[in-house]
Amino acid sequence: NAGVTQTPKFQVLKTGQSMTLQCAQDMNHEYMSWYRQDPGMGLRLIHYSVGAGITDQGEVPNGYNVSRSTTEDFPLRLLSAAPSQTSVYFCASSPPPGQGGDQPQHFGDGTRLSIL
Amino acid sequence: AQSVTQLGSHVSVSEGALVLLRCNYSSSVPPYLFWYVQYPNQGLQLLLKYTSAATLVKGINGFEAEFKKSETSFHLTKPSAHMSDAAEYFCAVSEGGGFQKLVFGTGTRLLVSP
Repeated sequence: NAGVTQTPKFQVLKTGQSMTLQCAQDMNHEYMSWYRQDPGMGLRLIHYSVGAGITDQGEVPNGYNVSRSTTEDFPLRLLSAAPSQTSVYFCASSPPPGQGGDQPQHFGDGTRLSIL
Repeated sequence: AQSVTQLGSHVSVSEGALVLLRCNYSSSVPPYLFWYVQYPNQGLQLLLKYTSAATLVKGINGFEAEFKKSETSFHLTKPSAHMSDAAEYFCAVSEGGGFQKLVFGTGTRLLVSP
């Protein structure tokens, strides 16, 4: 099925470890974003990209890196995991303005990350 | 910066009763507004969106929302709640052109009792 695919679905890390959360979309969307969801705080934007080779910071970028080498993929890297990064991470993609159709932003199913 | 306020972290209704979930936004430019629903352990599903066309927006599953510029509100309603509507609902506003930078409210959990 077309959409946004996130891997892994679950991950447990130890403090100080690094890892990459994968996100891939097959809709040829130019725009991609990473959010984290914490109880009582809704979703907050970490990083986003408006095309291959172009990324920018969102509201809560500290401790995370991103790159966008292809249109399809937008991985999120945790450089040195901290307990405060325990969260559910969502990747989303969207077409440029005016081309949204009925679904302006597509979300993946999330990655549940626990850091001990 | 744009922001979204959702009044009430939890709303309880009886099956068949009116559902009203409140959302207020702040924006210095005409906003794009969205309501998303999240079922347990799932991602977000778009219910409806406002993109400066009709102020009364109809979405999926019988939900609708009305954009009121004078009140900076975009409340979500459904005439008759169903047990399957129990979920968490998020209001969001688009910051800037395009949908890559959504600002979300803190969410409202809808509880539906028989």
